[in-house]
Amino acid sequence: GAVVSQHPSWVICKSGTSVKIECRSLDFQATTMFWYRQFPKQSLMLMATSNEGSKATYEQGVEKDKFLINHASLTLSTLTVTSAHPEDSSFYICSAGSGTSGGETQYFGPGTRLLVL
Amino acid sequence: QKEVEQNSGPLSVPEGAIASLNCTYSDRGSQSFFWYRQYSGKSPELIMSIYSNGDKEDGRFTAQLNKASQYVSLLIRDSQPSDSATYLCAVNRNGNKLVFGAGTILRVKS
Repeated sequence: GAVVSQHPSWVICKSGTSVKIECRSLDFQATTMFWYRQFPKQSLMLMATSNEGSKATYEQGVEKDKFLINHASLTLSTLTVTSAHPEDSSFYICSAGSGTSGGETQYFGPGTRLLVL
Repeated sequence: QKEVEQNSGPLSVPEGAIASLNCTYSDRGSQSFFWYRQYSGKSPELIMSIYSNGDKEDGRFTAQLNKASQYVSLLIRDSQPSDSATYLCAVNRNGNKLVFGAGTILRVKS
């Protein structure tokens, strides 16, 4: 149980284009999903918390107009990187929360590698 | 002071030995604690969760929590080369957001 999928697993795009990444909880409903970014040899950095049916909460320093998050259902959240630039190249990982608030366990998707040329 | 601190390592242990990974946290209000394993190039995978003081065992893994000392550890018995990875300690205060440590690199040598 507690399987989270992400699509696509790899994206290569030209600078200036937008890229959409999907995150799905396959066997449970997740009221909360999280989006992280990880650069090589660095730790996970939380970008935003996504709640179903409401606006995402962004961490300090993360541009909400550049990283658009939509959480339309209890099993799907999407991250759109708008007007991507080479510095946006990174490993983007989502997680979905399962459990009661205060003890919620996060299960991670396999991640999406984005390379912006 | 970082909210969650881990020794970056690398921690090297011989195959078959016990690997001991440690983590301290700063917020006494923290309620739940997690250990994740991350292989190079992959996303984190949940190994253990622990909520109460004491030990929790699952196979070769034992998580230990001491809230008075604000300390949580992970023991890996009979370490295998396949256990070589980065181990992330994560803490949940009150709500659903996790705070991660920077991770400890474990190397198990055959």
